[in-house]
Amino acid sequence: AQSVTQLDSQVPVFEEAPVELRCNYSSSVSVYLFWYVQYPNQGLQLLLKYLSGSTLVKGINGFEAEFNKSQTSFHLRKPSVHISDTAEYFCAVSDQHAGGTSYGKLTFGQGTILTVHP
Amino acid sequence: DGGITQSPKYLFRKEGQNVTLSCEQNLNHDAMYWYRQDPGQGLRLIYYSQIVNDFQKGDIAEGYSVSREKKESFPLTVTSAQKNPTAFYLCASSRGTGGAVTEAFFGQGTRLTVV
Repeated sequence: AQSVTQLDSQVPVFEEAPVELRCNYSSSVSVYLFWYVQYPNQGLQLLLKYLSGSTLVKGINGFEAEFNKSQTSFHLRKPSVHISDTAEYFCAVSDQHAGGTSYGKLTFGQGTILTVHP
Repeated sequence: DGGITQSPKYLFRKEGQNVTLSCEQNLNHDAMYWYRQDPGQGLRLIYYSQIVNDFQKGDIAEGYSVSREKKESFPLTVTSAQKNPTAFYLCASSRGTGGAVTEAFFGQGTRLTVV
């Protein structure tokens, strides 16, 4: 069984400051890793994904994440946040060995609400 | 534009009634999914389907039912057996077997409230 833990339920930060949203996972098999963003009353939008290769992954809106296999972590970072980054962020994993369904059969963390203050 | 359409956006149901949430995709994806979102709990998988006329239970299938008669459509019925149905429901789809690895695409969600 897989599990995902997002270590902070809420992260307040001032505009133009750096931010890190933490994600740890556990799994008995190899996984794919994802970060999604959700604005109020909307669906989820993919920020970035780690499938294989370089452990530093760059996504949209200036976000990046680093896969650390030894620490089973996939923390999300942005060097300078904007007011528009205020949203809820979800870390998710999928099993690499579940065939075509693996990309959408996701296990999610509880979410981190990022609030950017002016 | 390709995407996933969920309807309605808001839905109110009386206790004891069944209600069906619609999900349609034009991405030509084989796999479709239903998730339930509650505050502070992330998203939990209700049902998923890898191919037409086939579907499997997710982690919280009790009180829900689905059908997959067409590739484009994956409706979810919330039955009266679901004890706490008030939640935000999200439909997703992804490419099936074959092709490059890709991610799941999500609809805009349906907020169901039991009154």
